[in-house]
Amino acid sequence: GENVEQHPSTLSVQEGDSAVIKCTYSDSASNYFPWYKQELGKGPQLIIDIRSNVGEKKDQRIAVTLNKTAKHFSLHITETQPEDSAVYFCAAYDGSNYQLIWGAGTKLIIKP
Amino acid sequence: DGGITQSPKYLFRKEGQNVTLSCEQNLNHDAMYWYRQDPGQGLRLIYYSQIVNDFQKGDIAEGYSVSREKKESFPLTVTSAQKNPTAFYLCASSSTPGQGGTGELFFGEGSRLTVL
Repeated sequence: GENVEQHPSTLSVQEGDSAVIKCTYSDSASNYFPWYKQELGKGPQLIIDIRSNVGEKKDQRIAVTLNKTAKHFSLHITETQPEDSAVYFCAAYDGSNYQLIWGAGTKLIIKP
Repeated sequence: DGGITQSPKYLFRKEGQNVTLSCEQNLNHDAMYWYRQDPGQGLRLIYYSQIVNDFQKGDIAEGYSVSREKKESFPLTVTSAQKNPTAFYLCASSSTPGQGGTGELFFGEGSRLTVL
């Protein structure tokens, strides 16, 4: 089955700098890769997703890139702001089990 | 406002007791899910339901039970058979089946269960 690894577990960046979180997956058949943001005391919320027929997707300060050959995808946040502080989860869709397999999460800390 | 409501937010249980966590949605979604979240781990699927009166086990269903008698409601019971029940529990829904495989998962704010 699918396995998703996420790095780093904690990332601290200066406000205004960029942040990059990386995930690798094991099943080349996976075709959908969402990113969720979880603020303290709340449930995760979808911030961006990408499908396997696309290499990059952007939404304002957030972008996701996908490298199918290397089986990894990354979340890029530019011009970070205090409200970006949260835990970010990546996931990969395992079509054989109809399940989303989740990474362990990255705690992003934005330093003022 | 449309969304998912979980209750209670915090729950304490003595060992040997069953507890039921409530999950209600008014998004008119067919599919609903229960996840368990532990520190330093990704979300793990407990149970999911794609339609009323039908549900399937996820990866960690042992010690848990669910029902889906109404489209809006998907309660989770943590039984005394669950060996390590202290965790944060998240309920979610989606308009498409397959665990949001082709669409967005909408989450509640979670219920934190502590076993004393």
